[in-house]
Amino acid sequence: EDKVVQSPLSLVVHEGDTVTLNCSYEVTNFRSLLWYKQEKKAPTFLFMLTSSGIEKKSGRLSSILDKKELFSILNITATQTGDSAVYLCAVVAIYGQNFVFGPGTRLSVLP
Amino acid sequence: DADVTQTPRNRITKTGKRIMLECSQTKGHDRMYWYRQDPGLGLQLIYYSFDVKDINKGEISDGYSVSRQAQAKFSLSLESAIPNQTALYFCATSDGAGGLKLETQYFGPGTRLLVL
Repeated sequence: EDKVVQSPLSLVVHEGDTVTLNCSYEVTNFRSLLWYKQEKKAPTFLFMLTSSGIEKKSGRLSSILDKKELFSILNITATQTGDSAVYLCAVVAIYGQNFVFGPGTRLSVLP
Repeated sequence: DADVTQTPRNRITKTGKRIMLECSQTKGHDRMYWYRQDPGLGLQLIYYSFDVKDINKGEISDGYSVSRQAQAKFSLSLESAIPNQTALYFCATSDGAGGLKLETQYFGPGTRLLVL
């Protein structure tokens, strides 16, 4: 059974801190891993990763995938209160079917 | 205008009632999904549809049914609502064509359902 685990489940930091969110997975015929940010509404797409060792970057956010060790990390540098959200990780298999989501990491950034 | 819309946005109903949640999309995607989200459990797949003639159960389909009326419309029904179906429901679409094509999902705004 395909599975996605995220850690920590909850994290509280202060503005300016750097955070690392973790996502590990077990999936048959892995194709891609996606990160989403969810504030008080629908998840919004951040990154898609398919290849090991290639960093995706967008502003203060970056992510990298390790297909050998079956995990990904999402880094946020110089955090701001607007980064407060639930960050969801999902994996997709080659022949399919579904996006399997992890439980999410709830990040709270305090001023 | 939003690409993926859901109606209603909020709904309160009583145990035993039948309700329908509707999803429409203007993205032209073939694939549509229904998820429920409970605190601390991420998104759980209820049903998905890869085209109008293709409906599949997800991991938590019991107590739910769906209808794919057209490429752009995918409805979720609770035949006899129960309190543990109180949750946030999301519709999503993706443009995957199967095989190796990469895809991402686009989510509707969600429907918050309370079953009393």
